[in-house]
Amino acid sequence: DAGVTQSPTHLIKTRGQQVTLRCSPKSGHDTVSWYQQALGQGPQFIFQYYEEEERQRGNFPDRFSGHQFPNYSSELNVNALLLGDSALYLCASSFHRRGEQYFGPGTRLTVT
Amino acid sequence: AQRVTQPEKLLSVFKGAPVELKCNYSYSGSPELFWYVQYSRQRLQLLLRHISRESIKGFTADLNKGETSFHLKKPFAQEEDSAMYYCALSRGVNTGTASKLTFGTGTRLQVTL
Repeated sequence: DAGVTQSPTHLIKTRGQQVTLRCSPKSGHDTVSWYQQALGQGPQFIFQYYEEEERQRGNFPDRFSGHQFPNYSSELNVNALLLGDSALYLCASSFHRRGEQYFGPGTRLTVT
Repeated sequence: AQRVTQPEKLLSVFKGAPVELKCNYSYSGSPELFWYVQYSRQRLQLLLRHISRESIKGFTADLNKGETSFHLKKPFAQEEDSAMYYCALSRGVNTGTASKLTFGTGTRLQVTL
């Protein structure tokens, strides 16, 4: 089991553009959570998907949206990119009732 | 609102010295507390969760509800312990769907010879 995988590893975008990040959960997991980690900060919760629905959402604007597919993989979409969206985006998966989240390696997004 | 505070950005200790990484939290209810660790060029990984009451790699952490703390301790630091450590909180596991994690800002532990 490769654990949680994310793609791409790095991404450079221009202000105003849109970006899609992808995540495949650990085998046996059905819940995917996304976090944003700015430089020097701890990860901040964006949202969580379970049974293909957004179940919880953190304090992020509607420009941040997501999707979960029937195979439990997930996408994070960010529209109208701002310079402040530059960060490491982490995906974490879990089995919904266990609370223990396993993290992927992250996607480093740079907005210029 | 839930909050996690890690007061030290950097903790530098000598090999063989005791280690204590501080974590304080605020939460109205019975939270679940975790310590995550990130070694250089590796992904964030779970080190401890308070309900397991385990000792992992010599580290222990006790939840003190009176002081709302969950400090991470190790009696004798090793060079391989050098890493970034994050304390995190979520609502209790018995409340249903795995809940969001609220992280502190992290403490970098540096173990020197």
